[in-house]
Amino acid sequence: DVKVTQSSRYLVKRTGEKVFLECVQDMDHENMFWYRQDPGLGLRLIYFSYDVKMKEKGDIPEGYSVSREKKERFSLILESASTNQTSMYLCASTPGQGMVFSEQYFGPGTRLTVT
Amino acid sequence: AQKVTQAQTEISVVEKEDVTLDCVYETRDTTYYLFWYKQPPSGELVFLIRRNSFDEQNEISGRYSWNFQKSTSSFNFTITASQVVDSAVYFCALRSNFGNEKLTFGTGTRLTIIP
Repeated sequence: DVKVTQSSRYLVKRTGEKVFLECVQDMDHENMFWYRQDPGLGLRLIYFSYDVKMKEKGDIPEGYSVSREKKERFSLILESASTNQTSMYLCASTPGQGMVFSEQYFGPGTRLTVT
Repeated sequence: AQKVTQAQTEISVVEKEDVTLDCVYETRDTTYYLFWYKQPPSGELVFLIRRNSFDEQNEISGRYSWNFQKSTSSFNFTITASQVVDSAVYFCALRSNFGNEKLTFGTGTRLTIIP
């Protein structure tokens, strides 16, 4: 089974702190995604990566950056956390490699609170 | 631009009743994929079904069934004889067959099954 893990289930940070959210997948997937989930808004794509060191902006990239130094790991960075970034953050991956029909595999999520 | 609408924000039904969750989508693509995910209280999104735009056959899996109608751009999900374990947030999502593998999610429907 594909396993997508996220470094923390719950995280509390202060405004202005630099925050790292880590995601690791163990199935050699090419594509990885970061979403945030807010009530009434569903899941919105922040950034995605289709290869090591490659990244593309999603729908709401402002205030975030990402890093993908290794294929299995995709990090979401909040350079200076703000209260409006309090949310549930979900990481996902897909095989890529021409398997366009594949579903996305999700991690358990990180609930981030910025005070 | 792609869009997925789940007009039902919350639904409550008594256990053993049937319930249908609606999903309406918009896309200019002729080839695309539709998905349903379940998010139980634990938070992790669980993949339920994938359907491509060329396959309009209805799908049945146990108590779950899906009705895909291109003519009305709908991909509705029915749970028969609902159980308390079906209580969750359900998301419908759309993905183009072209370009990146970005998913566009609806805002979700929170389903509560009352014992």
